[in-house]
Amino acid sequence: GEDVEQSLFLSVREGDSSVINCTYTDSSSTYLYWYKQEPGAGLQLLTYIFSNMDMKQDQRLTVLLNKKDKHLSLRIADTQTGDSAIYFCAESKKPDKLIFGTGTRLQVFP
Amino acid sequence: DVKVTQSSRYLVKRTGEKVFLECVQDMDHENMFWYRQDPGLGLRLIYFSYDVKMKEKGDIPEGYSVSREKKERFSLILESASTNQTSMYLCASSTNRDGYTFGSGTRLTVV
Repeated sequence: GEDVEQSLFLSVREGDSSVINCTYTDSSSTYLYWYKQEPGAGLQLLTYIFSNMDMKQDQRLTVLLNKKDKHLSLRIADTQTGDSAIYFCAESKKPDKLIFGTGTRLQVFP
Repeated sequence: DVKVTQSSRYLVKRTGEKVFLECVQDMDHENMFWYRQDPGLGLRLIYFSYDVKMKEKGDIPEGYSVSREKKERFSLILESASTNQTSMYLCASSTNRDGYTFGSGTRLTVV
């Protein structure tokens, strides 16, 4: 079946690294995404990774994919207060239908 | 700047009212989606559409219907609003390649 799980909360100190984890169950997923939702706003695509990749880096963001364990993570280096938001991972077999996780609320404190 | 526009940020409706939520995208995307977002439940897919006049049920279609008469517009209809439909509603559109673009959401309260 299709199910994407994330922990609900993460709290980090400003300047530290944040790691947000996600597990999925559909091994045939082709695309895996990370979205960010700031308060009162819709979701914004942060990055995505194809299932034939292990890692993708984009400035402060690093995505790691472990297909064997069906585990996806998002690392944010030098976390800032502006990174406080809800982060959703999503998987899809087809890029036209995404399955979202429950979201992880990241709180950054000074 | 390309975007998905939802017509209302906040709505308050009475139980039993018929409610229309409108979504318009200017990216010529084929696919459009309606989700609802509730704390601890993430995003749940209500309906989606791959083309004009086409619609498919998502995971929680009960109590909702949709209309897509033009490619750029996808409307969500609550036939008879109930208090358990109080939620944040998110519209999204996509091509078949690049993930979704979301609107800012409509927070609906049914009293």
